[in-house]
Amino acid sequence: DAGVIQSPRHEVTEMGQEVTLRCKPISGHNSLFWYRQTMMRGLELLIYFNNNVPIDDSGMPEDRFSAKMPNASFSTLKIQPSEPRDSAVYFCASTMTATYGYTFGSGTRLTVV
Amino acid sequence: DQQVKQNSPSLSVQEGRISILNCDYTNSMFDYFLWYKKYPAEGPTFLISISSIKDKNEDGRFTVFLNKSAKHLSLHIVPSQPGDSAVYFCAASALTGGGNKLTFGTGTQLKVEL
Repeated sequence: DAGVIQSPRHEVTEMGQEVTLRCKPISGHNSLFWYRQTMMRGLELLIYFNNNVPIDDSGMPEDRFSAKMPNASFSTLKIQPSEPRDSAVYFCASTMTATYGYTFGSGTRLTVV
Repeated sequence: DQQVKQNSPSLSVQEGRISILNCDYTNSMFDYFLWYKKYPAEGPTFLISISSIKDKNEDGRFTVFLNKSAKHLSLHIVPSQPGDSAVYFCAASALTGGGNKLTFGTGTQLKVEL
């Protein structure tokens, strides 16, 4: 199993541009989570899906952020327009429903200049 | 509102000695706790967990202690090894009504020196 796959690994973009982060969860996992890591807040949950349905998006910071999971093997996190304060490492994780042993991807390091 | 707090951003320990990483939480609904370990340029990986019905769980060199009355847990690593140098995240969940989402702390950078 290739694990949770995130792309791109690094993204540098200019303020105001649209950014799309991608995630492929482990096959058979039906819970998917998007986290953001910053020094100040650690790992912060943005949104999570169960069986492709968004369950809790209370962590999404603003309307500039949106996430989709069109099928069980793919999810996107989009920021439009991006701002310098969005610079962080974004992690995707997946697991089976009702379990906690998340498998994390390697993350996408986003830099907005 | 940081519901899971790791007040020590960094910790330095000599090889062979004990490392103690601490974590406090504020949400009394949390009843399941985990520790994750993260190396640079990698995602966090699950290390050890404990349910609120226990006060201790041990796995090899790693032991997690839970003090529910103090809303405090700690991770003990003994003996510490250089390969343990990483960022350690404490995480918590409410099994009832919380789904399976985890609330993480800010992390503690552990450095094990030779």
